[in-house]
Amino acid sequence: AQTVTQSQPEMSVQEAETVTLSCTYDTSENNYYLFWYKQPPSRQMILVIRQEAYKQQNATENRFSVNFQKAAKSFSLKISDSQLGDTAMYFCASITWGGSQGNLIFGKGTKLSVKP
Amino acid sequence: DADVTQTPRNRITKTGKRIMLECSQTKGHDRMYWYRQDPGLGLQLIYYSFDVKDINKGEISDGYSVSRQAQAKFSLSLESAIPNQTALYFCATARGTGLTDTQYFGPGTRLTVL
Repeated sequence: AQTVTQSQPEMSVQEAETVTLSCTYDTSENNYYLFWYKQPPSRQMILVIRQEAYKQQNATENRFSVNFQKAAKSFSLKISDSQLGDTAMYFCASITWGGSQGNLIFGKGTKLSVKP
Repeated sequence: DADVTQTPRNRITKTGKRIMLECSQTKGHDRMYWYRQDPGLGLQLIYYSFDVKDINKGEISDGYSVSRQAQAKFSLSLESAIPNQTALYFCATARGTGLTDTQYFGPGTRLTVL
């Protein structure tokens, strides 16, 4: 079975600083994708970044980047130059080619607060 | 206009009532999903549909049913609502050309069952 674990229920960071959110996952499949979704107070689920497991290069989207360690099954999100608008719940999720037929499995989330 | 819409956005109902949550999308996607989010938890999959004729149960389908009326519409029903179904419900869509396609979420429906 696929599992996704986020061990940090809450984190805070000062505006303009860098913060890293942790995520570990477990899957027996070889082909999978990993995602970070953001859920601001508006409660909309917004895709932040995604990583293909077969790619060694870490994905980057502007101020957001990941550190993908396949052997360790680790997928952390780094937010650089944090902004007040980054305040949100962040969910790590995985999707596989296997029996779950493309269903997203979510972690429990990390609540990030960016302080002015 | 939003690509994925959900109605209603908020609903309060009583135990035993039948409730329908609706999802519509203008993205032209084949795949549609219903998720439930409880406080302190991530999203859990209730039902999913890969096309109009295809309906599949997710992790937590008990107490729920769905209808895929058209490619663009996917409804979730609670036949007899109970208080532990109080949650935030999300609809999502994906293009369906591969398992890796990104899922796009609606704004959510907050349901309270008294």
